[in-house]
Amino acid sequence: AQSVTQLGSHVSVSEGALVLLRCNYSSSVPPYLFWYVQYPNQGLQLLLKYTSAATLVKGINGFEAEFKKSETSFHLTKPSAHMSDAAEYFCAVSEGGGFQKLVFGTGTRLLVSP
Amino acid sequence: NAGVTQTPKFQVLKTGQSMTLQCAQDMNHEYMSWYRQDPGMGLRLIHYSVGAGITDQGEVPNGYNVSRSTTEDFPLRLLSAAPSQTSVYFCASSPPPGQGGDQPQHFGDGTRLSIL
Repeated sequence: AQSVTQLGSHVSVSEGALVLLRCNYSSSVPPYLFWYVQYPNQGLQLLLKYTSAATLVKGINGFEAEFKKSETSFHLTKPSAHMSDAAEYFCAVSEGGGFQKLVFGTGTRLLVSP
Repeated sequence: NAGVTQTPKFQVLKTGQSMTLQCAQDMNHEYMSWYRQDPGMGLRLIHYSVGAGITDQGEVPNGYNVSRSTTEDFPLRLLSAAPSQTSVYFCASSPPPGQGGDQPQHFGDGTRLSIL
């Protein structure tokens, strides 16, 4: 079965600093990978997705992620953090064809200080 | 607005009670899924459906039933509520592979369920 590991349940950065959220996956087949963001008391919003096209994926709100097959990683980055980026971030992998069976990591809460 | 609608948003139950969480989507998506979100555990798949009349179990199906009589609706039933089912429940829908566009899976806003 596929799995996702997110290193660090909490990450703290200062406003304007680089954001790096780590995600590693295990999969026996080429995966589809996703990053979602969840603001307090809200649902999940898709930030970006990798579906076997370009390995560097750009998403919304200035985020991007790079698929590295050799490292089985799909880390999320943003050059300069903003206070509004404070939220919980989930990495997910698609298990099998289609997107109806996502396997999620345990999430990383991003804290941004002034 | 088009999307996934979950009702109710909040619910408190007593142990042993039953209830149905409703999920409806108006995007004509064939695929629908139910997840539960617990602190420190991310989201875990309960049940999913790839079309009307077709459902299957996910990672944590025990204590839950689903049915899919129409494309639009995918209700989740708790047969006999237990405190361990206290969670936030999310419904999601998606089109078949190759038709995802920019948003492969749409999530509802969640149902917060407490079982006493």
